[in-house]
Amino acid sequence: DQQVKQNSPSLSVQEGRISILNCDYTNSMFDYFLWYKKYPAEGPTFLISISSIKDKNEDGRFTVFLNKSAKHLSLHIVPSQPGDSAVYFCAAVPDYGQNFVFGPGTRLSVLP
Amino acid sequence: DSGVTQTPKHLITATGQRVTLRCSPRSGDLSVYWYQQSLDQGLQFLIQYYNGEERAKGNILERFSAQQFPDLHSELNLSSLELGDSALYFCASSGPGTPYEQYFGPGTRLTVT
Repeated sequence: DQQVKQNSPSLSVQEGRISILNCDYTNSMFDYFLWYKKYPAEGPTFLISISSIKDKNEDGRFTVFLNKSAKHLSLHIVPSQPGDSAVYFCAAVPDYGQNFVFGPGTRLSVLP
Repeated sequence: DSGVTQTPKHLITATGQRVTLRCSPRSGDLSVYWYQQSLDQGLQFLIQYYNGEERAKGNILERFSAQQFPDLHSELNLSSLELGDSALYFCASSGPGTPYEQYFGPGTRLTVT
């Protein structure tokens, strides 16, 4: 039972354009959401997060949008850069504990 | 560099054996988390420790155990190893001010033959 889904295994975007990565979840008890980026042979790196009481959080080129009614969140990267090419994981945390649930990841390729 | 260290980087062992993976959190972080990433899979949360005590448990097998020591480093013990235990094992840590922002180590790649 996959509680956090990232239905696009891969995404290719031209440099300078917007990258939109999507994430859907099924558990309404999730209270906090995070995005991580992972390069090969490295551990995931925290990017940005959002609390369930917000619908948007912005940090530089990265913006996360949360639609609680649709149980959907998305990560926007504008403008996309070749260095953004990595696997992006969406993660969710329930309000009752620290059990982080990660999605399977989306591989983003930003083409120069 | 996240500040989280993991040793060893690679480990090759045979089925039925026992191994210990080690993690040192970032300076000042009290929480340590362990994750397993199998081939082409997402990260599976195994267990969390906070200041020496178990705080949360995920999909951790009974053959696996962990502990956090007074100096806050943590060890993940995997016993009676099976071929399916081959995976990347990540450790992460977080601080008291930002408990949801985890900083990951580079991982230990375990191969069971």
